[in-house]
Amino acid sequence: AQSVTQPDARVTVSEGASLQLRCKYSYSATPYLFWYVQYPRQGLQLLLKYYSGDPVVQGVNSFEAEFSKSNSSFHLQKASVHWSDSAVYFCALSPSNSAGNKLTFGIGTRVLVRP
Amino acid sequence: EAAVTQSPRSKVAVTGGKVTLSCHQTNNHDYMYWYRQDTGHGLRLIHYSYVADSTEKGDIPDGYKASRPSQENFSLILELASLSQTAVYFCASSDDRGGQNTLYFGAGTRLSVL
Repeated sequence: AQSVTQPDARVTVSEGASLQLRCKYSYSATPYLFWYVQYPRQGLQLLLKYYSGDPVVQGVNSFEAEFSKSNSSFHLQKASVHWSDSAVYFCALSPSNSAGNKLTFGIGTRVLVRP
Repeated sequence: EAAVTQSPRSKVAVTGGKVTLSCHQTNNHDYMYWYRQDTGHGLRLIHYSYVADSTEKGDIPDGYKASRPSQENFSLILELASLSQTAVYFCASSDDRGGQNTLYFGAGTRLSVL
């Protein structure tokens, strides 16, 4: 069985500062990995995804993530955050051998950006 | 723009009552999903479907039924609602390109069972 761990439940950063959100996964092969964001009172939206190739993937709104097979990690980063980045961020995994896209989610990291 | 619409947006139900949550997508996607969100658990898959008139169990199906009468519509049914089913429920859709699909989520239904 697969699992996703997001060790930080809450992160507070100042506007303009950098942000890193950690994600560790457990899966026997190389999975498909995703970061989703949930803004207040909205559904989840895709930020970026990794399924092969360059381990550094670029996403929307200047977010990027780096896949590391050796560390079983897929950390999300942004160089300079804006107040509008305040949201809950979810890391998710999909088995590479599955039809459809039955995601396993982490518990999420709530990000608060202070002005 | 992909669109997934859930109704109602919020509902209060009584213990033991029947609850139906509805989902409609205009993405022409084959796959639809119902997830439950609880604090400390993230999102967990309840049921999913890859074709009309067929549903599959997800990771936490107990206490829930699902119905897919058409490609566009997918319902989640709580025959006997319980306190433990208080949560936010999300519907999502995706196309059929294997595990790398992007899921498109609705805005969620906040269910309170009293």
